[in-house]
Amino acid sequence: NAGVMQNPRHLVRRRGQEARLRCSPMKGHSHVYWYRQLPEEGLKFMVYLQKENIIDESGMPKERFSAEFPKEGPSILRIQQVVRGDSAAYFCASRDRPNTEAFFGQGTRLTVV
Amino acid sequence: AQRVTQPEKLLSVFKGAPVELKCNYSYSGSPELFWYVQYSRQRLQLLLRHISRESIKGFTADLNKGETSFHLKKPFAQEEDSAMYYCALSDSGYSTLTFGKGTMLLVSP
Repeated sequence: NAGVMQNPRHLVRRRGQEARLRCSPMKGHSHVYWYRQLPEEGLKFMVYLQKENIIDESGMPKERFSAEFPKEGPSILRIQQVVRGDSAAYFCASRDRPNTEAFFGQGTRLTVV
Repeated sequence: AQRVTQPEKLLSVFKGAPVELKCNYSYSGSPELFWYVQYSRQRLQLLLRHISRESIKGFTADLNKGETSFHLKKPFAQEEDSAMYYCALSDSGYSTLTFGKGTMLLVSP
């Protein structure tokens, strides 16, 4: 089991472009969480998804950000019309059911220039 | 609102010295508390959770509900303990995590 895989590891986008971040959970895991870490900050919860459903998106900015976890394929965090303030590390975590250990990916570092 | 506070950004000790990384939290219910560790160039991984009451790599953490603290301790630090440590809490029924800002532990020879 390769663990939680995130790609790309590093992503550079110009202001106004779209960023797509991918997360493949561990095999057998159907619960996926996205966290964002701004410089000098802790990880902040963004969204919790279970296959094909958004369970909790209370941490997602209201505009430009969306997430999905389709029946087949990885979870995608999509940021439209990126701005400099979106520059951060984005981490994905997965677990097979609530209240068990969450396993983290290595993160995607997004830089907006 | 739930919050986790780690007052030290950096803690620097010598090998063999005792270590205590502080964590305080605010939460109205009964949270679950965790310590996560991130070694250089590696992914974040779970070190301890308070309900398991384990000692991992010589580290222990006791939940003090009166002081709302969950400090991480180790009696004798090793160089390989150098890493970033994050304290986190979870609503036990819900499972999303609230993290502190992290403390970098540097253990010098």
